[in-house]
Amino acid sequence: ETGVTQSPTHLIKTRGQQVTLRCSSQSGHNTVSWYQQALGQGPQFIFQYYREEENGRGNFPPRFSGLQFPNYSSELNVNALELDDSALYLCASSPGQGISGANVLTFGAGSRLTVL
Amino acid sequence: GQQVMQIPQYQHVQEGEDFTTYCNSSTTLSNIQWYKQRPGGHPVFLIQLVKSGEVKKQKRLTFQFGEAKKNSSLHITATQTTDVGTYFCAGSKAAGNKLTFGGGTRVLVKP
Repeated sequence: ETGVTQSPTHLIKTRGQQVTLRCSSQSGHNTVSWYQQALGQGPQFIFQYYREEENGRGNFPPRFSGLQFPNYSSELNVNALELDDSALYLCASSPGQGISGANVLTFGAGSRLTVL
Repeated sequence: GQQVMQIPQYQHVQEGEDFTTYCNSSTTLSNIQWYKQRPGGHPVFLIQLVKSGEVKKQKRLTFQFGEAKKNSSLHITATQTTDVGTYFCAGSKAAGNKLTFGGGTRVLVKP
């Protein structure tokens, strides 16, 4: 089975720009979660998608938005980038609701965003 | 909102020694999970605990879930250089719900 893949792996943007990060979930997983991990800190929950709808959101402003597609892949969009948005953005898929181990996360390698 | 705290933040261990890292939640949890992140890598799932007082072992790693389901611990015996990394606990208030991660314990091993 294929794991979680993310693209791009690294990118540099300037303040005010917009960015789109992409994620392909692990085969058989229908739930995707996005996390932001600043240097030296634990992952912070941004939001989760299940059946193409947002299914929970963390303490992030509306300029962080997302999508999930019918094949369960997902995008994270961040508008009006700020310096503090510099971080590793982790996508994780999980088996989904109603299944044993439903929220056990399989992480991708992440997209490292630098905002200058 | 739900908070998950881990102590210590850093753990310097002599190779061969034992150590324990602790995880505390501000709310009662449905389940707790542990992940390991190697330097430059991404978090990798280690284990999930669901029952009050549950203890699980993986070779030299012993995981425990507290009776009140608000705390957990990870004990590593005979530390090896391969144990280097950051260990995160992550709690959920309901099965299938979002996971809230702690700040992690960064483990450095002195040979």
